Amino acid sequence: GNSVTQMEGPVTLSEEAFLTINCTYTATGYPSLFWYVQYPGEGLQLLLKATKADDKGSNKGFEATYRKETTSFHLEKGSVQVSDSAVYFCALTPYTGNQFYFGTGTSLTVIP
Amino acid sequence: EAGVAQSPRYKIIEKRQSVAFWCNPISGHATLYWYQQILGQGPKLLIQFQNNGVVDDSQLPKDRFSAERLKGVDSTLKIQPAKLEDSAVYLCASSLADISTDTQYFGPGTRLTVL
Repeated sequence: GNSVTQMEGPVTLSEEAFLTINCTYTATGYPSLFWYVQYPGEGLQLLLKATKADDKGSNKGFEATYRKETTSFHLEKGSVQVSDSAVYFCALTPYTGNQFYFGTGTSLTVIP
Repeated sequence: EAGVAQSPRYKIIEKRQSVAFWCNPISGHATLYWYQQILGQGPKLLIQFQNNGVVDDSQLPKDRFSAERLKGVDSTLKIQPAKLEDSAVYLCASSLADISTDTQYFGPGTRLTVL
């Protein structure tokens, strides 16, 4: 079946620290992979995506590389800001359609 | 471009009561989704529409939940009767098409509290 396993939180970092949020997946074939972000009081927003192996998605300083050999899509940012405080969700859609399978979310708090 | 609209934003009801949520997707988006997000969990798909037809409702508790998308645009999700465990945020999302690479755009959600 299809599923996403995400690093458990909460994660607390100081401003300008390096961020990694781990995400691994199980899927048949070649899924598309996504990171969504949910800021306090707001809806889910697409952060980045990658649709084939070795693709790198990037946005707002965040990056994630689609690694088929390790079935991973880890989210990274070199220097986090207070404004990055949010809940981050890893998700996949199977190659057969676009039903989303979400991870449980990782809460990130960045302190000044 | 207007985003996905949902109403109401918040709803508090007692168990065994009925409730309905409304969603207006992004104009031109053929695919519409309803998700349930319980506190501390990721969203779980309840039902997916392609235009006004149901593509997937395998995780919809059909004894109490129903949804429709008349005319292939707006959609309503109803719970009747509500249970305590239905307390959650109900998210509506839309996408242009039903393909795996397509981005889904989410509305702000309706937070339901069942007392």
